Parts: sequence; C-alpha cells; structure tokens
Amino acid sequence: GAGVSQSPRYKVAKRGQDVALRCDPISGHVSLFWYQQALGQGPEFLTYFQNEAQLDKSGLPSDRFFAERPEGSVSTLKIQRTQQEDSAVYLCASSQDRVSGANVLTFGAGSRLTVL
Amino acid sequence: SQQGEEDPQALSIQEGENATMNCSYKTSINNLQWYRQNSGRGLVHLILIRSNEREKHSGRLRVTLDTSKKSSSLLITASRAADTASYFCATATGGYQKVTFGIGTKLQVIP
Repeated sequence: GAGVSQSPRYKVAKRGQDVALRCDPISGHVSLFWYQQALGQGPEFLTYFQNEAQLDKSGLPSDRFFAERPEGSVSTLKIQRTQQEDSAVYLCASSQDRVSGANVLTFGAGSRLTVL
Repeated sequence: SQQGEEDPQALSIQEGENATMNCSYKTSINNLQWYRQNSGRGLVHLILIRSNEREKHSGRLRVTLDTSKKSSSLLITASRAADTASYFCATATGGYQKVTFGIGTKLQVIP
C-alpha cells in the first residue's frame, strides 16, 4: 500500500484481556519500529525489526508484551493480560533503510488502546 | 526512556512570526530528525541532519546541530495556522540506527 496501515484504530479491552495490534508497513521496507505514546508525551521505543529478525526488544515494558514479524512484512504487537497502565496509542513505523543509510520513518495513524 | 528533551514544552505565537524549538540529547548520534504530529494523528518526518552537518534548510524550516553541545534547534519562519502541531526531535544511534524521540514541543500559531 501507499502508507503504513495499522488496525484496529481503536480498541477497548477489559483488564486482563489479551489484545493484538497489527501493522502493515510499506511494501519493501526493511526496518519496522513499534512505539508507545501516552497522552501528551513523546513516542517511547518498544521494539525494532530488520526484516523478520527482532534486533532490539529492550523497550518492551514487561513480558506481557510480545511482537513478531514472521515473514518480514506484517507485524503484530500482542499484549497479554492487559493492565490500565497499558492504555496508550501504539504507533508503528517503517523505513526503507540501507538506501541513504538513515532510518527516516513513515508512521501509521496508530492504534489507541483503552483498558478499563 | 526519552533520549531528547525539547524546549520549550509549549509555544504560542502569532501567525507570521518565527518559531524556534530546541532539543538536547544525551549520547552520540548518527543523525537527528524532526517530526510533526497533528492532534490525534501519526508523526510526519520533516527534516534530517547528519552528525557531520551543522545546518540544513527545507522550505520554511531551518535546523541546526551542535554536536559539541549535544543540541539542535528547529526554526519555522513565517508561521501559519496550519503549523499548529506538536514537534518532536528524534535521534538515530547505534549500528541499526535506533530512533528515539524527545518529549516534544506543542506549538500553537494564532491566526
């Protein structure tokens, strides 16, 4: 597609439920990042993929958070046993990489998660 | 954790005035980027400056980088109401160029 697509745009979950957030990056983009953005804050790094390899997961807040990109394109961020503090906008971004040598990110619109 | 810290956190100016936002960061970088985020939307890349560059221009945007002070500034000239948004600096570090964002400056341009 022309841009980065994220779904669902809005998700309301009851505390303790599992959620899965999907990211469709721009076709051919090697790098894929996930960020968490709380209201009024900057995006906080969660994890990074280069093709199907998860090279950095240092930003995942707990072992309840899990991300995958099995075929090097679509990625899924899964949150198990959601807590109220997980409420945030989850942003996905992709980058062509290896062209200019810089990661210039194209962002999706985000998935807003509200945990009740 | 946030790598960058923008200053000021909020800025309100009249249309036509210039807006200056500053960013300080903590570690050595490969490049520094500025992004804009309109309310409720995703971030949009504005401009990138590499660590060996000191100044870059793009349209009404001017960015400077001082690696000795670990700081950057973004100048928007002749501001318009449509420039109202949050602006974030982001630093790229390490072998795979991890991109880390600051806390942002919220800019309001009053028509």
